[in-house]
Amino acid sequence: DAGVTQSPTHLIKTRGQQVTLRCSPKSGHDTVSWYQQALGQGPQFIFQYYEEEERQRGNFPDRFSGHQFPNYSSELNVNALLLGDSALYLCASSFVGDRSTDTQYFGPGTRLTVL
Amino acid sequence: SQQGEEDPQALSIQEGENATMNCSYKTSINNLQWYRQNSGRGLVHLILIRSNEREKHSGRLRVTLDTSKKSSSLLITASRAADTASYFCATDGIQGAQKLVFGQGTRLTINP
Repeated sequence: DAGVTQSPTHLIKTRGQQVTLRCSPKSGHDTVSWYQQALGQGPQFIFQYYEEEERQRGNFPDRFSGHQFPNYSSELNVNALLLGDSALYLCASSFVGDRSTDTQYFGPGTRLTVL
Repeated sequence: SQQGEEDPQALSIQEGENATMNCSYKTSINNLQWYRQNSGRGLVHLILIRSNEREKHSGRLRVTLDTSKKSSSLLITASRAADTASYFCATDGIQGAQKLVFGQGTRLTINP
């Protein structure tokens, strides 16, 4: 049973460019959340997708957008990259229909470096 | 801004000793979870404790939750070199919805 997978592992972009990160949830999960983790900090919630719609959003600008596909996989898009967008981007999946466990399972992350 | 605060920020102990990390949070919660992260990689879920629970065990891990003080502690007994990692607490708001709010973490180093 595959866990949460993310691609690519590492990415280097320059300021002003756009980037797309991808996430496949754990088998049986229907909800995907994205987090940004700056060096030395805890992860910060970007947004969450369920039933192909953004269900919750953290304090991130509109440059951050996402999408969820019918197979529950998800993409995170960041436009007009800034140096401050350099971080580890983590995807987490869960099954919203099972409130007996609220555990979110995280992928290995995508390390984005903006030069 | 982050809700949780872990204490201490860094902890260094000898192998075999017990390690205790604390977490405080600000608002009412549905549950609190602890995660481990090795060298800037993905987060590994360790244990979840619900707001109506006071203590939970999993192997060498013991978690306590005091909702009146809005605090939690994670105890790792008989530490091993492989326990070297950063440990984060994360809270899930009272409405659920699974938006996790993380603290800044405790960096644990186990010395052989």
